[in-house]
Amino acid sequence: GAGVSQSPSNKVTEKGKDVELRCDPISGHTALYWYRQSLGQGLEFLIYFQGNSAPDKSGLPSDRFSAERTGGSVSTLTIQRTQQEDSAVYLCASSTTNFPGRVEAFFGQGTRLTVV
Amino acid sequence: AQSVAQPEDQVNVAEGNPLTVKCTYSVSGNPYLFWYVQYPNRGLQFLLKYITGDNLVKGSYGFEAEFNKSQTSFHLKKPSALVSDSALYFCAVRDEAGANNLFFGTGTRLTVIP
Repeated sequence: GAGVSQSPSNKVTEKGKDVELRCDPISGHTALYWYRQSLGQGLEFLIYFQGNSAPDKSGLPSDRFSAERTGGSVSTLTIQRTQQEDSAVYLCASSTTNFPGRVEAFFGQGTRLTVV
Repeated sequence: AQSVAQPEDQVNVAEGNPLTVKCTYSVSGNPYLFWYVQYPNRGLQFLLKYITGDNLVKGSYGFEAEFNKSQTSFHLKKPSALVSDSALYFCAVRDEAGANNLFFGTGTRLTVIP
């Protein structure tokens, strides 16, 4: 596809369940980012993948959160034992690194997660 | 470590008046600076960026931003606001000397009053 694709667009889950959120970046983009946007809040950085380098996990809020990126393309963000405070919109973005740092990132539409 | 500050949570401006949305940054090396806009129930859209060169950068929808190295600022501006400009605006920074990660400010909600 032409843009960053995230699925599902909406997810309602019960407290304590595990959820997986998927991100398909733009083809050829080597950098991939996950952010969380809570209601009325800004963008909270979660994790950053750059090619084959070790990901920057410094933004993950707890060990219930993990992410992987298979084959340098699709990424999955997993939240285990979900809590109500995990309710937010999870945004994925990707960018090229042909000119490291200089290129803008492109965002998906996000996954709205509601934990009930 | 890099960081971005948007000191105003909310900016209100009358239609037709000039608007400014403020952003300051902190990086170790040279900054790469970006502005994004988020319309209701939409994803983030790229507006403009500063990489090098002219301090005044022009972007989409008539927006521009001025890079000021001495004040470590990158304020977003538009000469004449439209009601359709009402949205959430985010400033972001990468550090040239860093690991290419992209950090965002907390966002500023712009409301243009008819």
